Amino acid sequence: ETGVTQSPTHLIKTRGQQVTLRCSSQSGHNTVSWYQQALGQGPQFIFQYYREEENGRGNFPPRFSGLQFPNYSSELNVNALELDDSALYLCASSPQGFGNTIYFGEGSWLTVV
Amino acid sequence: GESVGLHLPTLSVQEGDNSIINCAYSNSASDYFIWYKQESGKGPQFIIDIRSNMDKRQGQRVTVLLNKTVKHLSLQIAATQPGDSAVYFCAENANDYKLSFGAGTTVTVRA
Repeated sequence: ETGVTQSPTHLIKTRGQQVTLRCSSQSGHNTVSWYQQALGQGPQFIFQYYREEENGRGNFPPRFSGLQFPNYSSELNVNALELDDSALYLCASSPQGFGNTIYFGEGSWLTVV
Repeated sequence: GESVGLHLPTLSVQEGDNSIINCAYSNSASDYFIWYKQESGKGPQFIIDIRSNMDKRQGQRVTVLLNKTVKHLSLQIAATQPGDSAVYFCAENANDYKLSFGAGTTVTVRA
């Protein structure tokens, strides 16, 4: 039990639609990151939020966007869904600062058809 | 480019034996390394971490070794149990905001 909760756990969307995934970080963790994990691969960094602002971004197009709220919870939004967006989306939280343990949630499985 | 990779995609181990999972990294600026365990259908679970100023760190039944000279990281699991069956990932952090993961090693424990 990491204290990082994500919702929904599974969802199916149609190509071209939009999706919002949610994450509640572990208590006291003010930094939230999102990762995409395709089947059979390691997680790929999408972006990180700290103090409600994007703090770094991986190689993902602008249709991937996010928010962090004052209570440190976060959302990942993906617009104009493509078939290749089908993956496990993972939220990770940690205290701010290098070298702090990063804990992952159980993820949201997104299938785009 | 920079990458984190694992030497073998699969590892089969007899229950009770020790397991060794290897990882090679190429970013010499990496300062912090983490091993995660991921069971089917679940998120990555933190196992153990090590900073670049250390060579070895021990946890409960697990030991991580870091060889900065050859950019190699390993995870040793003592007395492997059926519950250890999972995919294991090494991840590196080069003093920035993200973790870079390898593709993972699938460990299967034989009864």
